Amino acid sequence: KNEVEQSPQNLTAQEGEFITINCSYSVGISALHWLQQHPGGGIVSLFMLSSGKKKHGRLIATINIQEKHSSLHITASHPRDSAVYICAVIRLRETSGSRLTFGEGTQLTVNP
Amino acid sequence: DTGVSQDPRHKITKRGQNVTFRCDPISEHNRLYWYRQTLGQGPEFLTYFQNEAQLEKSRLLSDRFSAERPKGSFSTLEIQRTEQGDSAMYLCASSLAGSNPSTDTQYFGPGTRLTVL
Repeated sequence: KNEVEQSPQNLTAQEGEFITINCSYSVGISALHWLQQHPGGGIVSLFMLSSGKKKHGRLIATINIQEKHSSLHITASHPRDSAVYICAVIRLRETSGSRLTFGEGTQLTVNP
Repeated sequence: DTGVSQDPRHKITKRGQNVTFRCDPISEHNRLYWYRQTLGQGPEFLTYFQNEAQLEKSRLLSDRFSAERPKGSFSTLEIQRTEQGDSAMYLCASSLAGSNPSTDTQYFGPGTRLTVL
């Protein structure tokens, strides 16, 4: 069983819809990241969370440390949001710097 | 552009050949990571450098793989006697170590896509 699991694996939405991607993890963590990967490979960090909630534009990320669960929400989705969204954690007492342990990613497609 | 560059972007090789990839991190970043990503999967950790010291290697990094970071700047990842199972995207990331490692933000390069025929 993966230490970080995401759902759904694939998500198709119509432009304007509210989108939620979920991430559950089974290990103690010091931080959780949400990342975006576009075709071609480049990965960009969207959020780093250790508690509570963060908002940036139309993106909102929340984390519940007790339940070991995080969600990424996209409001008023747009076709340019189409990408793979990846949840990744830094494990507690990680000895390799800020090494990330990744989920498998959620492929989001937003149709016009 | 995150400021991390990788070269080449694509590499096609025949089974049994050796390949070498290069990563140039953001210049002041002292931490450097290599990850491997196969199709439809999330990246997996391969190895980690703090300055020029290689501090950890994953079990995924067989003895055919070697990584270096001379002088704590750019890094190279070499795969000897490539196998078809080595086909993947190889990602490099760098970060600046702070007093709290959980606050490091990693900046990823565009990756090198390796295809072994």
